[in-house]
Amino acid sequence: AIQLTQSPSSLSASAGDRVTITCRASQAISSHLIWYQQKPGKAPKLLISLASILQSGVPSRFSGSGSGTDFTLTISSLQPEDFGTYYCLQVHDYPLTFGGGTKVEVK
Amino acid sequence: QVQLVQSGAEVKKPGSSVRVSCKASGGTSHNYAITWVRQAPGQGLEWMGRTIPTLGTANYAQKFEGRVTITADKSTSTAYMEFSNLRSDDTAVYYCARSTLASYNMAVWGNGTTVTVSS
Repeated sequence: AIQLTQSPSSLSASAGDRVTITCRASQAISSHLIWYQQKPGKAPKLLISLASILQSGVPSRFSGSGSGTDFTLTISSLQPEDFGTYYCLQVHDYPLTFGGGTKVEVK
Repeated sequence: QVQLVQSGAEVKKPGSSVRVSCKASGGTSHNYAITWVRQAPGQGLEWMGRTIPTLGTANYAQKFEGRVTITADKSTSTAYMEFSNLRSDDTAVYYCARSTLASYNMAVWGNGTTVTVSS
């Protein structure tokens, strides 16, 4: 199975900061990567598909990039409502696999 | 707008089985897939498996093969996840999520079902 390693596992940043989360795949997955945001007690929310396609309704401060094995999710200017845990998901091959998550705290 | 409504919380004994349902409402398309994802307390998301109701096929994470069966009833737009031989470490919130057949983008999620396995 393809393994996804996210880093960091947690971060704390101030509102307005630029935040970058990394997801590394154990083998090449082209652009077959999805990013989700999850808030406590809630279902995940789809943010970005195919590594860089922003979903409708998602603020433009979120962006994704990468292909092959290395991917990033960037929040250009962190907002208080961006707290939560962010997960990457590879959809290149079965079994689909999630990264371990990155917990984001807004100071 | 499609919504997924899951069945209520369950408390089960070790070794027993549970069936969680996921009913879609508000949509007319039958060209979709249903994925099941679980989240143990304080832990991350774990992909369990995916079914395409129109094909009657399913793919599973190897970890769950033999214990999990994912099915769907097209006539009622309801998907099911049956989990057998439950253990205490299967205690988790179980989510269903829907994507189109053309992508794996799970944009619509159920409300989650808490399954507690305890003697």
